[in-house]
Amino acid sequence: AQSVSQHNHHVILSEAASLELGCNYSYGGTVNLFWYVQYPGQHLQLLLKYFSGDPLVKGIKGFEAEFIKSKFSFNLRKPSVQWSDTAEYFCAVNAGTDKLIFGTGTRLQVFP
Amino acid sequence: GAGVSQSPSNKVTEKGKDVELRCDPISGHTALYWYRQSLGQGLEFLIYFQGNSAPDKSGLPSDRFSAERTGGSVSTLTIQRTQQEDSAVYLCASSTQASGGIYEQYFGPGTRLTVT
Repeated sequence: AQSVSQHNHHVILSEAASLELGCNYSYGGTVNLFWYVQYPGQHLQLLLKYFSGDPLVKGIKGFEAEFIKSKFSFNLRKPSVQWSDTAEYFCAVNAGTDKLIFGTGTRLQVFP
Repeated sequence: GAGVSQSPSNKVTEKGKDVELRCDPISGHTALYWYRQSLGQGLEFLIYFQGNSAPDKSGLPSDRFSAERTGGSVSTLTIQRTQQEDSAVYLCASSTQASGGIYEQYFGPGTRLTVT
C-alpha cells in the first residue's frame, strides 16, 4: 500500500533559520507529489506540486522542494523562515489513483 | 470566487446518534473528495466522486459511513450510530476533474465532529 512518512513531527526555529522538512513515500511507479500547508485557523492550501520535469519545484512564499526518485523523497525547503511560516505542513502523494495519501504532518513554529 | 464550503463548522453529538455533514464544492468542479483528519493521524482519504461515475468508497472505515452527491454538486457524508473514535475534522475537497491526480484539490474549512 502507498504510504507517506514525515519524520519531523514538530520543528521549532528562529526567524531567518533555514528549513528542511523530510518527506518519503513508498510507491515504485510514477507519482505526483504535493506539499500542503495549513496556517492556524485556515484551510489547507497547496504550497507546491511535482508532476514531471524539473525535479526542483518552486512554490509560493519562497518554498521549494526537490524530488529525488532514487530516495523516494520530496523534501521541502526554505532558506530563511519567517514568523508567518508558522503552520502545519503536509506532504501528499498521488500514485495511479485520484486520491491523495497524506503524511501525518509537521508542525512548524517560528519564533521572532 | 467562492471556495469549498462545509457545514456545520462544528458538531457535537452523543454516541449512537447519526450525523450528516455537508459539502458545497467549487462551482464547475466535477470531482469531490472527503478526508478525515484525526489528531496525530494526518489526513485519511474516505471517498471520492467524479462526475457520474461510481464513487470510490475504498477509504470508508466501516459500513456506518456513507456519502452521496446529488446533482453532481453538493455532497453529504453520513455517519450512523456514531462512536467516540469518529471524532475528527472531516474535510471536503474538490477539483476540476480527477484524472491521474494531476488537478489541484481545493479544501474546505472542515467540520469538527465531537462524539461524547
